[in-house]
Amino acid sequence: AQSVAQPEDQVNVAEGNPLTVKCTYSVSGNPYLFWYVQYPNRGLQFLLKYITGDNLVKGSYGFEAEFNKSQTSFHLKKPSALVSDSALYFCAVRDGRYSSASKIIFGSGTRLSIRP
Amino acid sequence: EAGVAQSPRYKIIEKRQSVAFWCNPISGHATLYWYQQILGQGPKLLIQFQNNGVVDDSQLPKDRFSAERLKGVDSTLKIQPAKLEDSAVYLCASSAPGQGNNEQFFGPGTRLTVL
Repeated sequence: AQSVAQPEDQVNVAEGNPLTVKCTYSVSGNPYLFWYVQYPNRGLQFLLKYITGDNLVKGSYGFEAEFNKSQTSFHLKKPSALVSDSALYFCAVRDGRYSSASKIIFGSGTRLSIRP
Repeated sequence: EAGVAQSPRYKIIEKRQSVAFWCNPISGHATLYWYQQILGQGPKLLIQFQNNGVVDDSQLPKDRFSAERLKGVDSTLKIQPAKLEDSAVYLCASSAPGQGNNEQFFGPGTRLTVL
């Protein structure tokens, strides 16, 4: 069975500092990995994804994530945090073996708070 | 490009009543998803459609929840009868045809409160 874990409920970072939001996963086949962000009273927005290829993927708003197969991780990173990055972040995984028929599983979310 | 539309945005009902939610996906998106997001948790997939066929409904409480996508475009999700634990935000999402590697576009959600 596939699963995804976000070990930190909340991450606090000072503006201008680098940030990392952690995600680990478990799937039987090759993972399709996604990060989404949710701002207050709004739906989820796609940030980036890893399907295949380079382990470092770049996405919206200056975010990037590194796929690490040996550690089964897909941590979200940004070199310099902005106050506007404060939001709820979700990691999601899908088993790539079953294409569109496989279910996508979302993590429980990490609240990112950037202080000025 | 218009996004995923959902209505209503908010709904308050009493337990044992019924309620329906509507979703209009992005034009051309064959795959449509309904999620339940309880406060403090990540979205949980309830049902996934590919055109008008059901791909996955393993987490849909079928004794009270139903969903349809008759013409492969709009979709409705119904709860009958509602329970207190159904209080949540119901999210609709759609994605372009592909091999499961396409990102999903989410609507604003419907916040359901069951009293």
